[in-house]
Amino acid sequence: QKEVEQNSGPLSVPEGAIASLNCTYSDRGSQSFFWYRQYSGKSPELIMSIYSNGDKEDGRFTAQLNKASQYVSLLIRDSQPSDSATYLCAVRSGSARQLTFGSGTQLTVLP
Amino acid sequence: KAGVTQTPRYLIKTRGQQVTLSCSPISGHRSVSWYQQTPGQGLQFLFEYFSETQRNKGNFPGRFSGRQFSNSRSEMNVSTLELGDSALYLCASTGQGGTEAFFGQGTRLTVV
Repeated sequence: QKEVEQNSGPLSVPEGAIASLNCTYSDRGSQSFFWYRQYSGKSPELIMSIYSNGDKEDGRFTAQLNKASQYVSLLIRDSQPSDSATYLCAVRSGSARQLTFGSGTQLTVLP
Repeated sequence: KAGVTQTPRYLIKTRGQQVTLSCSPISGHRSVSWYQQTPGQGLQFLFEYFSETQRNKGNFPGRFSGRQFSNSRSEMNVSTLELGDSALYLCASTGQGGTEAFFGQGTRLTVV
C-alpha cells in the first residue's frame, strides 16, 4: 500500500519563526515530491517541487529530500500570518502517473 | 497564461441524479487528472487522461467516469449520486514531459 504520512497538526508558530513540516512516504520507487498549500475553501497551489536528495530553496521556502530515509520536509522561514494554511505533501512514483497525497498539516502563524 | 478552469464552481444535486463536471487545462497541457477531496479521506486520485486516453484509474466505483476531448478539455461524470459523493472535485493539468500538476479552482458538489 503506497502511503504518504504527514503530521496532522495543527502546528502553530509565532510570526517570524521557522515552520517545519514533515512528510514520510512508503514507496521507495517514488521519484517526484511536491508541496502544495491550500487555503481554506480554495484549491491546492503548488509551492515547491523536489526530485533529488538535498535542499532546494525558493524564497522563504526550503524543501529537503532524503530518499534513503524516505523523508521530505518543508521549511518556511520568517513565517507570516498569510502562510496560515494546510500544507499537503504529494508524491509521484516512477510507475504511476498520479499523485499520492498526505492528509495535510494545518499551519497557523500567530501575529 | 490562463490556469486550469473548472466549471461549474458549485453544484447541488439530489441522490440518484447524475452530474457532469468540466475541466479546461492550461494551454498546451495534454494530461488531465481528477481528484476527489473530502474531509475524511483527503485527496484521492480518480483518473488521468492523456491525448483522449485514460492512462490510469483510481479505486472508485464504475459510477465515476471521464473522458477527454481532442482539445484536451476533460469531463467527469458521476451517475446515481450518493450522499457520500459530496466533495470538492479537483482537476489538475500537467505539461508534456513535466511532472508538476497545477490544480483548478475545483467544483464543490453537494448531494442532498
